[in-house]
Amino acid sequence: DAKTTQPTSMDCAEGRAANLPCNHSTISGNEYVYWYRQIHSQGPQYIIHGLKNNETNEMASLIITEDRKSSTLILPHATLRDTAVYYCIPLRGSGGYNKLIFGAGTRLAVHP
Amino acid sequence: KAGVTQTPRYLIKTRGQQVTLSCSPISGHRSVSWYQQTPGQGLQFLFEYFSETQRNKGNFPGRFSGRQFSNSRSEMNVSTLELGDSALYLCASSSDGGWRAETQYFGPGTRLLVL
Repeated sequence: DAKTTQPTSMDCAEGRAANLPCNHSTISGNEYVYWYRQIHSQGPQYIIHGLKNNETNEMASLIITEDRKSSTLILPHATLRDTAVYYCIPLRGSGGYNKLIFGAGTRLAVHP
Repeated sequence: KAGVTQTPRYLIKTRGQQVTLSCSPISGHRSVSWYQQTPGQGLQFLFEYFSETQRNKGNFPGRFSGRQFSNSRSEMNVSTLELGDSALYLCASSSDGGWRAETQYFGPGTRLLVL
């Protein structure tokens, strides 16, 4: 499984874009990059995932570098409810015999 | 649809006791995974069940066990509790027949305190 490196913590002003980086230089060709977040006192929540191309959904955008060694999760207009720990997880994706391997993640604090 | 439910939400036990935690997946989901979350080790995978069979297992001692019933509800058991077993225990259910990373729905967790 690929190792990841994420900043321990980040701050963001409410209404501004939050850009959360993740380094996954050992990712293999068939591994997707998944992002999950965990709001305090709740279970983790899926945000977005991608393989090579940039992806966008109603929650966030995911930018993956061409060499796939790093990615950035973008919350375009952060709100106080986005304060959470964000996890970047390389993973083969669907199929049995699989599991989520969570690192330390990035603790994002959104301030008024 | 109702979300993943876990019972009880909070539990206090003493060392040496055993404990059973319950997880009811989202209706129609057949895969249930269990995770342990501690401040020191973070979120760690315990095991995954599908159709009453354990398909995947993490690196935990044999004191940690689980099972799944025909209605997909799952239980995990920890025997001979140790202080280090104090943690938040989370379960996640996944849709249809396969394990899908983008459809792992987590419950609120059971917070276990071992004294």
